Amino acid sequence: KQEVTQIPAALSVPEGENLVLNCSFTDSAIYNLQWFRQDPGKGLTSLLLIQSSQREQTSGRLNASLDKSSGRSTLYIAASQPGDSATYLCAVNPWGGATNKLIFGTGTLLAVQP
Amino acid sequence: DAGITQSPRHKVTETGTPVTLRCHQTENHRYMYWYRQDPGHGLRLIHYSYGVKDTDKGEVSDGYSVSRSKTEDFLLTLESATSSQTSVYFCAISESAGEGGREKLFFGSGTQLSVL
Repeated sequence: KQEVTQIPAALSVPEGENLVLNCSFTDSAIYNLQWFRQDPGKGLTSLLLIQSSQREQTSGRLNASLDKSSGRSTLYIAASQPGDSATYLCAVNPWGGATNKLIFGTGTLLAVQP
Repeated sequence: DAGITQSPRHKVTETGTPVTLRCHQTENHRYMYWYRQDPGHGLRLIHYSYGVKDTDKGEVSDGYSVSRSKTEDFLLTLESATSSQTSVYFCAISESAGEGGREKLFFGSGTQLSVL
């Protein structure tokens, strides 16, 4: 059974710092992996989607990498800002092609201190 | 923002009563999903739909049923609510399920359900 783990559960950094959030999954047979952001009391916002054939995706100050063989993904946030404070979740699509039934990690709560 | 509306936003009900949550989309996306979010468990899939009248179970489907009679609406029903179903419920939509990057999920704002 596919399991997704995110460590650490919480992270606090000073503004301007570069940081890395980690995601690991137990079964390397995935179709894609997505990173989401969730603000308190809100729904999830898709940040980046990496296909299984890709190694990384970039959007602005965000860069996500994928290493299927080791079952790991990282989300790199450059020059962090207080507005980046949120919970970040990763999710894998273990079936692909027909259902898009994502399996989520429990998230990393990020606080960027001004 | 993707055009997804969940209703109600908040609901308090009593154990044993039926409850229906509604998800309405204006994007004409084929795929719709219901997730629940609980502390320590993250988001877990309840049911999903891959077209009108086409639905299937997710990881935690016991005690829930769904219906999709129109592309834009996906209803989640708790047949007889229990305290263990107290949770935040999210609806999500996607254009595809695995066709060249159009499988990004877009989420609604959620429904906070409390079963007393």
